[in-house]
Amino acid sequence: DAKTTQPPSMDCAEGRAANLPCNHSTISGNEYVYWYRQIHSQGPQYIIHGLKNNETNEMASLIITEDRKSSTLILPHATLRDTAVYYCIVRSDSNYQLIWGAGTKLIIKP
Amino acid sequence: SAVISQKPSRDICQRGTSLTIQCQVDSQVTMMFWYRQQPGQSLTLIATANQGSEATYESGFVIDKFPISRPNLTFSTLTVSNMSPEDSSIYLCSARRDRLGNTIYFGEGSWLTVV
Repeated sequence: DAKTTQPPSMDCAEGRAANLPCNHSTISGNEYVYWYRQIHSQGPQYIIHGLKNNETNEMASLIITEDRKSSTLILPHATLRDTAVYYCIVRSDSNYQLIWGAGTKLIIKP
Repeated sequence: SAVISQKPSRDICQRGTSLTIQCQVDSQVTMMFWYRQQPGQSLTLIATANQGSEATYESGFVIDKFPISRPNLTFSTLTVSNMSPEDSSIYLCSARRDRLGNTIYFGEGSWLTVV
C-alpha cells in the first residue's frame, strides 16, 4: 500500500503558486520523498525528491516538515501546462521500487 | 534526464495473442522496472528486471503471464502473454539513473488495447 495521503484534486489560478500537500506520517528515517507528475497520455515526469532538507530545482520546491511527516510541493508560477496528476511517493533508501498512491489532480485555471 | 524509449507506443491486440514491449535506455543502468497503469488508475509495479538473472515479480504478477528479459544494462523487454481485455493498460518502463543520485525516470509508456 502507498505510504502517502494526498487530496484527490486541487485548483489553482494561472500565475499563482500551487501548493500541493502530502502526508507521510509513517515515513522512516532512511526513506525519501519523491514527486512525479503525469500529464494525460504521457509517462510520469520526475519533479523533485528530498530526504530531510528542503529542495529546489528549476521546476519546483519541496518543503519537508521538521518531523518529516508531511511535505509540500510548490510550483511557484503555475501555468496551464502544469495541469496534471501529481504523485507524492515515499521510497526506501535500499529499494528503488516506487509504490504509487492515487495522487492529486491539479487543475490550473486561466 | 535519462532518455527511455519504449516500443510500441500504442497497439491494438487480439484476444489470446501475446505482445512484446521493448525498453531502451540511453545509458547503462543497473535497475530497470516495469509498471502497469490500468485505465483511470495509478501505477502498479509488475517486476524488477535484473540483468543476467530472472526478474523479480510483485504479488499478483507471474512470469508465465509477463515474461521479462534483460539481456544487457540498457535494454529490457516485457511480454504480455495470452492477452485478454483486462490486460488493456499502459505499460511503463523505468530505470534508475546510476551515478546521478536517486532519480528514477520513466518511458512514455506503451498503450495496449485488447479487443
